[in-house]
Amino acid sequence: AIQMTQSPSSLSASVGDRVTITCRASQGIRNDLGWYQQKPGKAPKLLIYAASSLQSGVPSRFSGSGSGTDFTLTISSLQPEDFATYYCLQDYNYPGTFGQGTKVEIK
Amino acid sequence: EVQLVESGGGLVQPGGSLRLSCAASGFTVSSNYMSWVRQAPGKGLEWVSVIYSGGSTYYADSVKGRFTISRDNSKNTLYLQMNSLRAEDTAVYYCASADAVTTLNRYWGQGTLVTVSS
Repeated sequence: AIQMTQSPSSLSASVGDRVTITCRASQGIRNDLGWYQQKPGKAPKLLIYAASSLQSGVPSRFSGSGSGTDFTLTISSLQPEDFATYYCLQDYNYPGTFGQGTKVEIK
Repeated sequence: EVQLVESGGGLVQPGGSLRLSCAASGFTVSSNYMSWVRQAPGKGLEWVSVIYSGGSTYYADSVKGRFTISRDNSKNTLYLQMNSLRAEDTAVYYCASADAVTTLNRYWGQGTLVTVSS
């Protein structure tokens, strides 16, 4: 199975900060990667698909980039509602694999 | 409006079985990739299984041979039959669906808790 290594596992940031989260695949996965946001007690929410395509309804401060093995989720200006845990997911092949998650906390 | 509603979770003893259901509305389960994803208490997300619109199925190594994903098109419902349950299967189980734009899970249910304990 493809391994997804996500970093950092947690970070502290302030409102207005630029935040970057990375995922590295153990083998090339083209651009078959998505990013999810999850808040406590809630189901995940799809933010980015195909590595860089913004899901409808998601604020433009979220962006994704990368292809092959290295991927990045960027939040350009962190807002109060963005404090959550973020996961990457590869669906290049099955079994699908999630990254370990990045918890974004208030500094 | 797309809606997914899971049911069937609960407390089961190790070695026991449980069947989860996911009733879909706003689309047909046979038209999209449908998945199960789980989350153990305080842990991250774990991909469990998928069924393609064409009927092909895939499983995580941790559940292969014990879990079976299926759907009933007449009831517009997705299922997960879970046998030989272990303590490490304790988790909230989410039903999820892709859409016409991406094979990734866009729509999610609220989750149902499965607890495996004696």
